[in-house]
Amino acid sequence: DGGITQSPKYLFRKEGQNVTLSCEQNLNHDAMYWYRQDPGQGLRLIYYSQIVNDFQKGDIAEGYSVSREKKESFPLTVTSAQKNPTAFYLCASSSPREGINEQYFGPGTRLTVT
Amino acid sequence: AQTVTQSQPEMSVQEAETVTLSCTYDTSESDYYLFWYKQPPSRQMILVIRQEAYKQQNATENRFSVNFQKAAKSFSLKISDSQLGDAAMYFCAFTAGAGSYQLTFGKGTKLSVIP
Repeated sequence: DGGITQSPKYLFRKEGQNVTLSCEQNLNHDAMYWYRQDPGQGLRLIYYSQIVNDFQKGDIAEGYSVSREKKESFPLTVTSAQKNPTAFYLCASSSPREGINEQYFGPGTRLTVT
Repeated sequence: AQTVTQSQPEMSVQEAETVTLSCTYDTSESDYYLFWYKQPPSRQMILVIRQEAYKQQNATENRFSVNFQKAAKSFSLKISDSQLGDAAMYFCAFTAGAGSYQLTFGKGTKLSVIP
């Protein structure tokens, strides 16, 4: 089955630690995205990548880093510099070459930092 | 920059009835696409319906349809014959035309379905 996987579903970390969230897709999509969702908010874009070895900052990139070494994978690192890291994180992918940026989402990771 | 506004934080509907969720947007683009996504309690985002701005005909997917008013920059979602499984957060989203990578979301409307 084609789709997007995110692991783990729940993640707990102590303040001051970096943590990496996994995102893998087998849809053969060129573009991948990371969003953050907070209660009462829509989704806010953290980073996106159009192709391998390239990525751009979204609206709230501070305190986060990404890499795109493989087409299928787009891991997100939440660094200790992120002031409020506790949130729900969603990964998505799309194939804009097909003319429309219709994004498909993974199941998400709930990160809790204490 | 684009903005998407959903003015109804919460709504409720009786099972089997019809409900309409509102969405307005602001853009200077002439070519763009609009989407409604559903986020049930599992939190998986599911695409419900999409509308191409160049199409005058309103999109329909089974019990879901939109009322797209381009001049008014309005994009409402109508759910007919509401079912318990329709209970979810619904997000309106905007993306500019071909080649655009950014998707702008509204803050969502929480829909409850009353048995």
